[in-house]
Amino acid sequence: GAGVSQTPSNKVTEKGKYVELRCDPISGHTALYWYRQSLGQGPEFLIYFQGTGAADDSGLPNDRFFAVRPEGSVSTLKIQRTERGDSAVYLCASSLKAGTGIHGYTFGSGTRLTVV
Amino acid sequence: TQLLEQSPQFLSIQEGENLTVYCNSSSVFSSLQWYRQEPGEGPVLLVTVVTGGEVKKLKRLTFQFGDARKDSSLHITAAQPGDTGLYLCAGPATGNQFYFGTGTSLTVIP
Repeated sequence: GAGVSQTPSNKVTEKGKYVELRCDPISGHTALYWYRQSLGQGPEFLIYFQGTGAADDSGLPNDRFFAVRPEGSVSTLKIQRTERGDSAVYLCASSLKAGTGIHGYTFGSGTRLTVV
Repeated sequence: TQLLEQSPQFLSIQEGENLTVYCNSSSVFSSLQWYRQEPGEGPVLLVTVVTGGEVKKLKRLTFQFGDARKDSSLHITAAQPGDTGLYLCAGPATGNQFYFGTGTSLTVIP
């Protein structure tokens, strides 16, 4: 597609439930990133994929969070046993290649997750 | 501890006024980027500055990278309601991630 697509745009879930957030990057972009943005804050890094592999998952807050990118394109961020503190906007971004200090990312519109 | 501090946090001005927002760090960055984010959307890249002392202009927006590459500023001339949004600076971290600042929320009142 023309841009980075994230679904759903909004997700309300009950505490303790499992959720999956999907990201469809720009076609041909090999690098894919997940960030989390809390209200009034800048995005915080979660995980980075180069191709199919998670090259850097140092930003995942704990083992309830997991992400996959099995075919090197679409990625799914999975959150188990959701907590109210997980409520945030989850942003996905892609870039043509890693190390984009010059070119930056293209972000999707995000998934707003609300845990009640 | 925030690696990139932005100020002011909130700014509300009248259409036609000028403004400057700042991005400061105690660390040296090889480059800094500025993004604008509108409600319900992801950040959109405005500019990347690379060289210390560099000045880049994008229509009414002027971006400057500090000589020591620890700070940057964004100046908007004759602000318009369409400039309303959250302005974020970002710098590369180790690996392939970016640090983002806390942002400046700008509201331009018609």
